Amino acid sequence: EDKVVQSPLSLVVHEGDTVTLNCSYEVTNFRSLLWYKQEKKAPTFLFMLTSSGIEKKSGRLSSILDKKELFSILNITATQTGDSAIYLCAVEETSGSRLTFGEGTQLTVNP
Amino acid sequence: DGGITQSPKYLFRKEGQNVTLSCEQNLNHDAMYWYRQDPGQGLRLIYYSQIVNDFQKGDIAEGYSVSREKKESFPLTVTSAQKNPTAFYLCASRTHGSHQPQHFGDGTRLSIL
Repeated sequence: EDKVVQSPLSLVVHEGDTVTLNCSYEVTNFRSLLWYKQEKKAPTFLFMLTSSGIEKKSGRLSSILDKKELFSILNITATQTGDSAIYLCAVEETSGSRLTFGEGTQLTVNP
Repeated sequence: DGGITQSPKYLFRKEGQNVTLSCEQNLNHDAMYWYRQDPGQGLRLIYYSQIVNDFQKGDIAEGYSVSREKKESFPLTVTSAQKNPTAFYLCASRTHGSHQPQHFGDGTRLSIL
């Protein structure tokens, strides 16, 4: 059975701090790993990672995948209150038919 | 605007009652998915469909049913057999092709009266 574990489950920081969110996985036939941000309603897509060691970057957010050690990290630099959200990690099998999600990390950024 | 529309946003169910959650997309996506999210937990897959008139059970299909008669629509029925239906329900869709992410609707929050 595929499994995704995120840590920490919750995190409280001050504006301007840098945070690192972790995601480890066990999946039989790995195809990709995805990060989503969920504020109140729909999760919004952040990154899709398929290859080890290649950093994906979007503004203050970046992510990297290690397929040998089976984990990914999501970094957020110079955090802002608008970064407060649940960050979800999911893995996709080679069939491409479904995602398995972790529990999510609840990030709170205080002014 | 293209997107995924879920309705209603809030729904209340009485004991013994079946309710149906709507999910419509105008993105011309082939695959559609239903997830359940409980407080403090991630998303769990209920059902998914990759083509019209075909669907598969996910990890927690018991007490739920779906249909896929049209490409744009994937309604979810929460039956009376689902004993703990209170949750946030999210619908997603994606196009076929390699490395395409799923996109989500705004969800329906279901509560028991």
